[in-house]
Amino acid sequence: QVQLQESGPGLVKPSETLSLTCSVSGSINYYYWTWIRQPPGKGLEWIGYITDSGRTSYISSLKSRVTMSVDTSKNQFSLKLNSVTAADTAVYYCARDGGPWGQGILVTVSS
Amino acid sequence: DIQMTQSPSSLSASVGDRVTFTCRASQNINIYLNWYHQKPGKAPKLLIFSASSLQSGVPSRFSGSGSGTEFTLTISSLLPEDFGTYYCQQNYNFPRSFGQGTKLEI
Repeated sequence: QVQLQESGPGLVKPSETLSLTCSVSGSINYYYWTWIRQPPGKGLEWIGYITDSGRTSYISSLKSRVTMSVDTSKNQFSLKLNSVTAADTAVYYCARDGGPWGQGILVTVSS
Repeated sequence: DIQMTQSPSSLSASVGDRVTFTCRASQNINIYLNWYHQKPGKAPKLLIFSASSLQSGVPSRFSGSGSGTEFTLTISSLLPEDFGTYYCQQNYNFPRSFGQGTKLEI
């Protein structure tokens, strides 16, 4: 059973870049690898996906600020979100499309 | 983009009750519908995929039905551990989208 684990800073300053990495316990070949976020007390928002070949698709509301990348040699994929504000404070989950999910990481945007 | 709408937004029920949640899609998504259960502080757990297929390890008191634009998740007899929030998600196309959730209080 593949397992996913998010890592990265838990605190980011406003206007800076949020950077997270997802480590996958198995092969990252095939599938769509996704990021999803959940602001405190709110619902789930799908951010986008990346494939092992580096093909990406992002939700339109974040498209101008999001970049995803993949490192197949390390079985990792990453999320960068620039120009963050307090509205980007959320638990960020990485997941294989259709499951499983990582445990999530809380990222707070604050000075 | 496909919009997913869940009802009700919250529900209070008792142990042993039968409860049903509804999820509607803004366009036909065939049976490309997942149901998740989330407890506070935890990642969502997949319960049902392809509208009616039970994920491995999920108790048989959970069942899903529907196709096209209307879907339901039913819990036949509530247990205390079933509290939390239930989300539907369409995986018919990208971007994937979730319903706003139904919060179940026991």
